[in-house]
Amino acid sequence: AQTVTQSQPEMSVQEAETVTLSCTYDTSESDYYLFWYKQPPSRQMILVIRQEAYKQQNATENRFSVNFQKAAKSFSLKISDSQLGDAAMYFCAYRNSGNTPLVFGKGTRLSVIA
Amino acid sequence: EAGVAQSPRYKIIEKRQSVAFWCNPISGHATLYWYQQILGQGPKLLIQFQNNGVVDDSQLPKDRFSAERLKGVDSTLKIQPAKLEDSAVYLCASSLVPDSYEQYFGPGTRLTVT
Repeated sequence: AQTVTQSQPEMSVQEAETVTLSCTYDTSESDYYLFWYKQPPSRQMILVIRQEAYKQQNATENRFSVNFQKAAKSFSLKISDSQLGDAAMYFCAYRNSGNTPLVFGKGTRLSVIA
Repeated sequence: EAGVAQSPRYKIIEKRQSVAFWCNPISGHATLYWYQQILGQGPKLLIQFQNNGVVDDSQLPKDRFSAERLKGVDSTLKIQPAKLEDSAVYLCASSLVPDSYEQYFGPGTRLTVT
């Protein structure tokens, strides 16, 4: 079974600074997808960024980018120019290709300090 | 486009009572998921539907949990009887097609069992 590990229960960053959240995963599959979801106190899960395993290029969405290291099974999220609205729980998630559900890590709580 | 709707948002019950949650996915979304998110953890899949058929219910505690998706649209998740350890947020998500990248999440139902 696939597993996702987030080793940082909590992180903090100064407003306008950069922070990196770590994620590792374990799988024997070669075709899969990786995601970062944001969950604010409202509990609504919001997709931040996704990465297809077959793509070597790291995904980028505005201030959010990932460092995908397939051989190391590592998938970190970098948030640049952090804003107060970025404060939330961040979950790393994995999904096999095909009709399969998401497997989530335990999450990292990000605080943004003004 | 309306998002995934869930009700109720909050529910408090005593142990051994019954409770039901409702989810209405985004119109046209064939795949529907129920996840359980215990405090301090990431969501864990309970059951996955494809139209009105069950794809995966391997992690559903079938002695007390049941779910249905009649007519392949909205879905209900029931717990009978509830235990203290069922206290969690129950998230519903849907995706357009089985291999779709993105799952769209509802706001969740926070269940407290006393």
